[in-house]
Amino acid sequence: EPEVTQTPSHQVTQMGQEVILRCVPISNHLYFYWYRQILGQKVEFLVSFYNNEISEKSEIFDDQFSVERPDGSNFTLKIRSTKLEDSAMYFCASSGQLGEQYFGPGTRLTVT
Amino acid sequence: QKEVEQDPGPLSVPEGAIVSLNCTYSNSAFQYFMWYRQYSRKGPELLMYTYSSGNKEDGRFTAQVDKSSKYISLFIRDSQPSDSATYLCAMIKDFGNEKLTFGTGTRLTIIP
Repeated sequence: EPEVTQTPSHQVTQMGQEVILRCVPISNHLYFYWYRQILGQKVEFLVSFYNNEISEKSEIFDDQFSVERPDGSNFTLKIRSTKLEDSAMYFCASSGQLGEQYFGPGTRLTVT
Repeated sequence: QKEVEQDPGPLSVPEGAIVSLNCTYSNSAFQYFMWYRQYSRKGPELLMYTYSSGNKEDGRFTAQVDKSSKYISLFIRDSQPSDSATYLCAMIKDFGNEKLTFGTGTRLTIIP
């Protein structure tokens, strides 16, 4: 069964460093998303991406964040200068035309 | 008022019992509803996807939608210890390129 994959599973970085989180969405899906979940809190939307451009972004997704689909399979989230409050689980999701979103296993980002 | 309300629990039931999980929402624009299961530190796993009022059944799971009351439910029959997880309701206004709005999740424990 097709699935969304994410790498790395856990990333530890120092405050101020850049991180890139990687995702491979389901191959025939057209819509891609990043969400995050701070420990003990609800899943929050960050950004949606379609047709090689951002469709919508939340208030969390400020100038420190960017997304890219560098080739036909990968979808990346970059945080330019990490802060302590960026520590969270980051989930990639993808969906086809019917709207049901499938999530990857997540990357746990720890900023020290 | 939050857009999506979900009792966080925790909810503990004995093995074999019927579990009822619920969400209410305030925005009548929501038309498509999903239930996800999330194990600790894992990605949300899509269980059910519904878009019309009424019931949808899949194995031991039944999703129920009442758009007039803005109320959705997930029933789990013959609950198993492996059903112990956090259950998230989520909804979108239209299918395609739409962000999910999540409830806070209900933490469920099935006691053997």
